[in-house]
Amino acid sequence: DAKTTQPPSMDCAEGRAANLPCNHSTISGNEYVYWYRQIHSQGPQYIIHGLKNNETNEMASLIITEDRKSSTLILPHATLRDTAVYYCIVRFRDDKIIFGKGTRLHILP
Amino acid sequence: GAGVSQTPSNKVTEKGKYVELRCDPISGHTALYWYRQSLGQGPEFLIYFQGTGAADDSGLPNDRFFAVRPEGSVSTLKIQRTERGDSAVYLCASSRGSSSYNEQFFGPGTRLTVL
Repeated sequence: DAKTTQPPSMDCAEGRAANLPCNHSTISGNEYVYWYRQIHSQGPQYIIHGLKNNETNEMASLIITEDRKSSTLILPHATLRDTAVYYCIVRFRDDKIIFGKGTRLHILP
Repeated sequence: GAGVSQTPSNKVTEKGKYVELRCDPISGHTALYWYRQSLGQGPEFLIYFQGTGAADDSGLPNDRFFAVRPEGSVSTLKIQRTERGDSAVYLCASSRGSSSYNEQFFGPGTRLTVL
């Protein structure tokens, strides 16, 4: 079973920051937090990952709480192309990804 | 560079038939994964190869499903005696190695429909 909990859906206005929350209260010390997204009819796409520190790349920022029990993915300036299902995943040494149901993000024009 | 490719993109078959789905990983990627995704659900892990060997096949639902990767590159997922419940999108992903921190790159998937 997925070790994360995400809201099933969210709306965000185009041009605003999209903040997607994720709870992972049972995360262990060596597990990373990963985010993927899946645009309709495509395979999942890697966004970002982190262990303890906040991370930023060209796509997004990842904020992880100090106790590591939750995190937030931030898309700083959402566009219509960011409409997708976003998956928050925690991974240990095993390479397989256990996906949950994710958050369906709707970007509103 | 080329990403993960999967063929065919769509496959329609009849109940009871045998099907093969192919995955071409990114060149040089030693790890390869198969997932399947039913409508409205997240992808579900099936099997993971490190090189030619199956390192984890715990996700294969039953013995009708089998996958090979004989030369450590291309992989084929084989489904015998297909059932309507096998209808799904079958996704393949590859990554550079066995480190759990490697990013997995996904292909576009093969949509299998069993009539």
